[in-house]
Amino acid sequence: EVQVEESGGGLVQPGGSLRLSCAASGFTFSSYEMTWVRQGPGKGLEWISYISSSDSSSDSTKHYADSVKGRFTISRDNAKNSLYLQMSSLRAEDTAVYFCARLLKRGGWFDPWGQGTLVTVSS
Amino acid sequence: EIVLTQSPATLSVSPGEGATLSCRASQSVSSYLAWYQQKPGQAPRLLIYDASNRATGIPARFSGSGSGTDFTLTISSLEPEDFAVYYCQQRSNWPLTFGGGTKVEIK
Repeated sequence: EVQVEESGGGLVQPGGSLRLSCAASGFTFSSYEMTWVRQGPGKGLEWISYISSSDSSSDSTKHYADSVKGRFTISRDNAKNSLYLQMSSLRAEDTAVYFCARLLKRGGWFDPWGQGTLVTVSS
Repeated sequence: EIVLTQSPATLSVSPGEGATLSCRASQSVSSYLAWYQQKPGQAPRLLIYDASNRATGIPARFSGSGSGTDFTLTISSLEPEDFAVYYCQQRSNWPLTFGGGTKVEIK
């Protein structure tokens, strides 16, 4: 079964850092682009980051939403079938459930999604 | 940034009735638009991609149409499990963006 599962969420103080992980299984992780999407409490979906299939720093392509650019870093380790989101300089408005998702080869749409991990930024 | 505007924000429908949801883009996204369904406490699920193609396992009562700036998700006859929030998403331009969602509730 194709699955992705997030971990690493929790409570962090404003200005702090946190690293989220996304474990992939049931597919050839190294062949797929991946993405992070978040959802604030009671709010809609917000795309935040994308990474191409390569985990080489020289070959991979990354994109970020303006809201997280310069503070969040997406990365992946294809040998470990894992996607990461390093978050720093966290703000209260970063409080959200963070989802990882695979991008379909045909079209680049998000499927499947993980169940999400909750990040709460509060003092 | 391409802004996607979904309407209505909430749609009240009786089971068995049809529903039509709208997504309007601030500029053309060609056919690079998808629809997702999200139920409370669950992850979103891909329903429609490339504006009109049903994703694997999605029932035929779901259909998508449109191109350019105006798109529609139609649910022909609502089943109890269809009451959820629906989001559109474009991949024509970076940054990728979602609409604000339409909640389909039981009337």
